Amino acid sequence: DAGITQSPRHKVTETGTPVTLRCHQTENHRYMYWYRQDPGHGLRLIHYSYGVKDTDKGEVSDGYSVSRSKTEDFLLTLESATSSQTSVYFCAISETGDYGYTFGSGTRLTVV
Amino acid sequence: DQQVKQNSPSLSVQEGRISILNCDYTNSMFDYFLWYKKYPAEGPTFLISISSIKDKNEDGRFTVFLNKSAKHLSLHIVPSQPGDSAVYFCAASGKGAQKLVFGQGTRLTINP
Repeated sequence: DAGITQSPRHKVTETGTPVTLRCHQTENHRYMYWYRQDPGHGLRLIHYSYGVKDTDKGEVSDGYSVSRSKTEDFLLTLESATSSQTSVYFCAISETGDYGYTFGSGTRLTVV
Repeated sequence: DQQVKQNSPSLSVQEGRISILNCDYTNSMFDYFLWYKKYPAEGPTFLISISSIKDKNEDGRFTVFLNKSAKHLSLHIVPSQPGDSAVYFCAASGKGAQKLVFGQGTRLTINP
């Protein structure tokens, strides 16, 4: 979507390797989020950020870490990828945090 | 603990008829509710929302109804069109919560 980009769009990686997904925004929004989408579970929050260097855990944060050193970039890192982390990952941005989310196009990650 | 539930994984409706998608929530602190629509290989996009001070909100063919006593909301689409075929996510937020909680999603198929 305009104003938010995710990279890469697709990635295949091996179990045990580190992986970093990037979310970049040009809207200068305060809030940024990482969700994962899985069949039967919908969208589940992994981590979110409410400002530079300010982050908090979501409901499925185990095995993931995040960093936000600049307003425009929010990185999601899988320290040691596992097959259970095979999923589609969505980044979202918001001015207020409680509505008005804009989502990126997603990253499809496969861990083999 | 699923705070937002969409109990119908899928729904099939004939073109021109009404589509009704349902969503239940358990957290009485939620005060803002949203519906998002998602096409394959794209991120979710905002469709319509409702504040807890209202019981109905309309936008063209889309109407959302909120029943606070039952902790239930529904999305009505009338008339349904082939382009409405997508996955619909219900989401909720509470004042100051800084994050949205999503349901599992309902895949809507509109048949010609």
